[in-house]
Amino acid sequence: SAVISQKPSRDICQRGTSLTIQCQVDSQVTMMFWYRQQPGQSLTLIATANQGSEATYESGFVIDKFPISRPNLTFSTLTVSNMSPEDSSIYLCSGIDRDSGNTIYFGEGSWLTVV
Amino acid sequence: AQSVTQPDIHITVSEGASLELRCNYSYGATPYLFWYVQSPGQGLQLLLKYFSGDTLVQGIKGFEAEFKRSQSSFNLRKPSVHWSDAAEYFCAVGASFFGNEKLTFGTGTRLTIIP
Repeated sequence: SAVISQKPSRDICQRGTSLTIQCQVDSQVTMMFWYRQQPGQSLTLIATANQGSEATYESGFVIDKFPISRPNLTFSTLTVSNMSPEDSSIYLCSGIDRDSGNTIYFGEGSWLTVV
Repeated sequence: AQSVTQPDIHITVSEGASLELRCNYSYGATPYLFWYVQSPGQGLQLLLKYFSGDTLVQGIKGFEAEFKRSQSSFNLRKPSVHWSDAAEYFCAVGASFFGNEKLTFGTGTRLTIIP
């Protein structure tokens, strides 16, 4: 099974700043995704991180606010730009492990609080 | 577009009692269904998944789920709950088996275990 690590695990950020979250997978995964979980709510897909090309964003999410990189098959970053208190959420990285029957694994999440 | 409904926001069960968490989905083709658990302060852990074949799926920690196409349901069950099962449970449906496994999550069911 794939193990997905995220950094930072938690952070408190000032309004107007940006923070980059890193996602590292211990094995090659075909697809990687970024999700957001706002307090007390379910998970919402932000975007699909594509290797070597621009991410594919879901409705309501834009590249200027959530730039994503994926330079190789095991690493991706999500930046939350110009943060406001409404961006206080858990951000989760996920990847599909083809060697485990297409199981979709999640990182433990990055808990961001914007003050 | 696919959707998932978890009708129960919060369930309280006595330790040792049986458990059933409900999940209904909407999807035009054959669904790919998942149950995840999120313990307080933790990320998501996959309990079980259904792609095809036997409609009764066994998962980790003694959980099982049954896919019922006629009812568009994928309910999660456990014959005897333990205090450590207290967590948030999410049902999810995947868009496709290959190439685009974006998940749509339900709103979650919070499980409380009482002695």
